[in-house]
This record gives sequence, structure tokens and C-alpha cells, in this order.
Amino acid sequence: GQQVMQIPQYQHVQEGEDFTTYCNSSTTLSNIQWYKQRPGGHPVFLIQLVKSGEVKKQKRLTFQFGEAKKNSSLHITATQTTDVGTYFCADRNYNQGGKLIFGQGTELSVKP
Amino acid sequence: EAQVTQNPRYLITVTGKKLTVTCSQNMNHEYMSWYRQDPGLGLRQIYYSMNVEVTDKGDVPEGYKVSRKEKRNFPLILESPSPNQTSLYFCASSLSVVGNEQFFGPGTRLTVL
Repeated sequence: GQQVMQIPQYQHVQEGEDFTTYCNSSTTLSNIQWYKQRPGGHPVFLIQLVKSGEVKKQKRLTFQFGEAKKNSSLHITATQTTDVGTYFCADRNYNQGGKLIFGQGTELSVKP
Repeated sequence: EAQVTQNPRYLITVTGKKLTVTCSQNMNHEYMSWYRQDPGLGLRQIYYSMNVEVTDKGDVPEGYKVSRKEKRNFPLILESPSPNQTSLYFCASSLSVVGNEQFFGPGTRLTVL
């Protein structure tokens, strides 16, 4: 079945450094959604990308969808301690009842 | 407040003792889903429901049952729990199956001894 691969699994940064997580699939992605899960919390929706080559920004967060719709990335500029958590990408697969197929997540830790 | 609620939040049980984890949403969402989260594996879908009386298997349905008798509730049933079902479970809902964000419940941490 479809797999969504996400790298890296862990990332430790100093506060103020940038951070990027990548999401890849061997098959075409339908819609990419990004979620953030704080330690001990539940996933919270950040954004959805639909169009090939789409770029969206939320303050210090930049989300990109690849031209071929086989990859996506989340970039955080100048990380803060509030960015700590696990970031997941997920493909909303309409061919499979609209289910979300999640990547394994990237756990971000930020050292003050 | 718009939310997804789950109960219980924590449960320790023994092999073979039937249990139900309840899930309820107050947003009139059509689509509801159950996921389990395990270290290194991310979130995997167990079952989903596109509307009342419509349910279907996700990626890891073995050992689980669900029902959707009313729009707001989507209970997860483990008829005979086993230790490999020890996990963190999330219920989620979205307005519809098409392209909407999913709202997640707070999670249920289940331990099966």
C-alpha cells in the first residue's frame, strides 16, 4: 500500500536555528496535511496543501508541495522553544475513503 | 466548545477482557476515524466512518470493531484485547471525507497485560 516517508526522525536544534522536515512518497500525493503534536498532546492541524508547487506561510513556518506532488516540506525559521513537538505530514487519500496516511513524524527539540 | 472527547483517557486491563473506548464529537461532523500511535510508526488508521451506519477498515483493523449508530458517537471495541494492542489511541473527526482537517481527541492510553 501507499507509504509516506518522513525524515529526519529526530532533530535537535539550538533556539534561533532553522529546522526542516521532509515528506516523500513513491506515488502521487492527493492532499498533504501537516499536523503538530506537542509532548503528551494530540495532533493539531496546521495546514493543507492541494496544488502542485504550492507554497504557504504561517508566520515563521513555510510549507511547500512539490511540483510532481510526490514530496512536501515544512521549514521553520528561527526556532523557538514553543516549536517543540512532533511534526507529521499526512496524505488525505481520496482513493481510500479519504483516510489520512501519516508519515512517521519528525520530533523537534529546541535547546534554549 | 467544539471538541472531540474520548473516554477513558487511561486504561490498564488484562488479556481477553472486553473493553470499549468511547468517542464523541459535537461539531456535526460526518467523518470519524480511529488511529493508534506507536513509537516509530506514526499514526495508523484502524477504522473510519464516512457517515451514520457506514464504517470501513483502515490499515490495522484486526482485533477491533466499531459502530456508528449516531452521528456524534464512534466507539472503538476490543472484544478480546491482547498485549500487542497496548498503544495510544486517538479518535478524530472532520466535516466530510473531502479535504478537511481532522480534529483529534485527547487520546486514550491503553495497556493490556
